[in-house]
Amino acid sequence: DAGVIQSPRHEVTEMGQEVTLRCKPISGHDYLFWYRQTMMQGLELLVYFNNKAVMDDSGMPKDRFSAKMPNASFSTLKIQPSEPRDSAVYFCASSLGGQGGETQYFGPGTRLLVL
Amino acid sequence: GEDVEQSLFLSVREGDSSVINCTYTDSSSTYLYWYKQEPGAGLQLLTYIFSNMDMKQDQRLTVLLNKKDKHLSLRIADTQTGDSAIYFCAEIYGGSQGNLIFGKGTKLSVKP
Repeated sequence: DAGVIQSPRHEVTEMGQEVTLRCKPISGHDYLFWYRQTMMQGLELLVYFNNKAVMDDSGMPKDRFSAKMPNASFSTLKIQPSEPRDSAVYFCASSLGGQGGETQYFGPGTRLLVL
Repeated sequence: GEDVEQSLFLSVREGDSSVINCTYTDSSSTYLYWYKQEPGAGLQLLTYIFSNMDMKQDQRLTVLLNKKDKHLSLRIADTQTGDSAIYFCAEIYGGSQGNLIFGKGTKLSVKP
């Protein structure tokens, strides 16, 4: 398997623009996670899905962020409008199950810079 | 709330052992993890330990868990320059992967 695939790998945009990040999980994995990594906050969970349904999005700023998983092999994280404080590396991860002892497999990340 | 603390930097010489330490707050954590992040890449699971274990060894890696002190350590024997990376400690609370809390990471630098 190719692992978790994310696109784009790098994104530079201007404040106020819409940004869409994409993720393809490992085939057969029922769980998908979106994380944000910054120097100050470290790694934060934004939202996660189980079988395409949102399980917890309490870490996601709802006013400007939205996450969808229209099918088992694709998810998007959208930021509209983007702000400079959204600059971070966004990781998608997937796992076979959702219990302890499972392994989350991370994608390479999307490095977002909002000017 | 739940918190995971790690020192930010560690520097060792090639061939020495590295010990990366971590403390966590949730006494009900069931699994504790070590992830590795190389420059420009995502996190990769190195190893994990179940809370009823004190130690786990996997080739050059040894994980020690002190539940009383809520202290976790990762020892890398015969550290190589390829081990240079950021190492993240993480705990699960509530038994769900959705409750995986990461530390800020320890940047390991290995000098030749």
